[in-house]
Amino acid sequence: GENVEQHPSTLSVQEGDSAVIKCTYSDSASNYFPWYKQELGKGPQLIIDIRSNVGEKKDQRIAVTLNKTAKHFSLHITETQPEDSAVYFCAASGGYQKVTFGTGTKLQVIP
Amino acid sequence: DGGITQSPKYLFRKEGQNVTLSCEQNLNHDAMYWYRQDPGQGLRLIYYSQIVNDFQKGDIAEGYSVSREKKESFPLTVTSAQKNPTAFYLCASSMVGSNQPQHFGDGTRLSIL
Repeated sequence: GENVEQHPSTLSVQEGDSAVIKCTYSDSASNYFPWYKQELGKGPQLIIDIRSNVGEKKDQRIAVTLNKTAKHFSLHITETQPEDSAVYFCAASGGYQKVTFGTGTKLQVIP
Repeated sequence: DGGITQSPKYLFRKEGQNVTLSCEQNLNHDAMYWYRQDPGQGLRLIYYSQIVNDFQKGDIAEGYSVSREKKESFPLTVTSAQKNPTAFYLCASSMVGSNQPQHFGDGTRLSIL
């Protein structure tokens, strides 16, 4: 089955700096890669996703890149703000209902 | 507003008891899911359902049971056979089809007394 590895497990950045979270996946059939943000005591919220026919996608301060050859995908957050502090999960899916999640990155933005 | 409602937010179980976690959605989604979240382990799939009266086991189904009698509802029962039930349980829903994003509720935290 699919295996998703996520790094780092914790990340501290100064407010205004950029943050990068990296994930790798094992199943070359995976073609959908969502990213979720989870605040304390809440459920994960989808923040951005990318499909395998696209190499990069941006939404304001958030961007995701995908390298299918290397089976890598990354989340980039620019101009970080304290409200970006949360746990971020990457995930991979080969289609339909089965999604495999990474183990999460706890991001702390220091004011 | 459309969304997913999980209840209760906190639940306590005595040894040997079965407990049922509620999940209701008004997003008109056909697919629903249950995940278990433990510290440092991400989300692991317990059960999922793509249509009423049908469901499939996920990666860690032992000690759990589900039903899907209505499109809007997908309750999860944690049975006494689940020896380590303390965790954060998340319910999600999505449209059926390739690469549909899942939408999550705010979870139920289950603890053993």
